[in-house]
Amino acid sequence: GESVGLHLPTLSVQEGDNSIINCAYSNSASDYFIWYKQESGKGPQFIIDIRSNMDKRQGQRVTVLLNKTVKHLSLQIAATQPGDSAVYFCAETLPQGAQKLVFGQGTRLTINP
Amino acid sequence: DTGVSQDPRHKITKRGQNVTFRCDPISEHNRLYWYRQTLGQGPEFLTYFQNEAQLEKSRLLSDRFSAERPKGSFSTLEIQRTEQGDSAMYLCASRQTGLETQYFGPGTRLLVL
Repeated sequence: GESVGLHLPTLSVQEGDNSIINCAYSNSASDYFIWYKQESGKGPQFIIDIRSNMDKRQGQRVTVLLNKTVKHLSLQIAATQPGDSAVYFCAETLPQGAQKLVFGQGTRLTINP
Repeated sequence: DTGVSQDPRHKITKRGQNVTFRCDPISEHNRLYWYRQTLGQGPEFLTYFQNEAQLEKSRLLSDRFSAERPKGSFSTLEIQRTEQGDSAMYLCASRQTGLETQYFGPGTRLLVL
């Protein structure tokens, strides 16, 4: 089946640095993309989303970039803090039917002091 | 706290027993989803409700699994004759019609011995 994948399973950055988490998606018909943060033992927490008619969207300390040509999604976190340590998932949805989320495996982000 | 609650948070059961989980979505959200997440993986879609109607089920949802949302508010997921392979985190998410963002609950972690 089609799935969303991630380039790196783990990422370690120094506190205060910027981090970039990458994601490749496979379904060119997907029209909505979302990044979730998941801490140990908790459910996924919404971070930021983007529709397919956009290529960039900014939130508080986070930016999502969408490149539909190569089916690539990235999450940039500025000035990382210890609380940013978590597993990050990207997910995609198709516009039809249940609009269920299709997730990748996730990237574990570790912030070093 | 997203406003989606799940109960219980943890469940340990013996193989062959039946278990039931409950999800209370955000009150104005008429769309409800169940996902299953195993260790190190992203959540996988199980089933979807719009109001009280179950509109889509994944092939992952075997005959031992049943979900209901009788009044279009809370939902239950029952697993009959549990197997060790059912051990996972069961996540519930909800969203409002017209908006794509799904908000997740904290999950129910099931361990089948």
